Amino acid sequence: GAVVSQHPSWVICKSGTSVKIECRSLDFQATTMFWYRQFPKQSLMLMATSNEGSKATYEQGVEKDKFLINHASLTLSTLTVTSAHPEDSSFYICSASRLAGGPYEQYFGPGTRLTVT
Amino acid sequence: GQNIDQPTEMTATEGAIVQINCTYQTSGFNGLFWYQQHAGEAPTFLSYNVLDGLEEKGRFSSFLSRSKGYSYLLLKELQMKDSASYLCAPLDSNYQLIWGAGTKLIIKP
Repeated sequence: GAVVSQHPSWVICKSGTSVKIECRSLDFQATTMFWYRQFPKQSLMLMATSNEGSKATYEQGVEKDKFLINHASLTLSTLTVTSAHPEDSSFYICSASRLAGGPYEQYFGPGTRLTVT
Repeated sequence: GQNIDQPTEMTATEGAIVQINCTYQTSGFNGLFWYQQHAGEAPTFLSYNVLDGLEEKGRFSSFLSRSKGYSYLLLKELQMKDSASYLCAPLDSNYQLIWGAGTKLIIKP
């Protein structure tokens, strides 16, 4: 297998607070992890790409100071939404890729549904 | 620019066959993935094509023509559980997946 877990699966928080989402690859080493956001009935939007031990690369329009990404080990990446606002309410999905062996398939976590009130 | 074109929605009957087409334009090309996404869930891998031709995997097959920038996903013996969105995602020269909005497939009894 190639299993990716996310925690929590859903979270409700108040406006102005911060929320941390964890993404773990359970049975493989993930050289690269990706964070996506998906609004209802819209396509996946890549937020950032992170490689273990280095700073994340953010997509244009994504505020790096608001969406803090840490990829401290080959099996764990975290996304922290700081000072969350209602417009940050979305479905956040992480995926992980193992470079060895190709074809650079991304294995997706189950997603985290964030609601900011 | 990079672009993915798939039909927004398709309807098919249980037990039938459906073909979902995808045309793409990317900066470089390193293969193309098809993913299935049920409502409220994360995508799951269906297939990967890097060479021209047809890849068959049970009820699902995927075809690629690199010269035409074209792929299709063929679903046979449709089941109600196949109702989902199907995402065509090519890999560009940076090995980044390019996502379109996907095709919502509705299966009717």
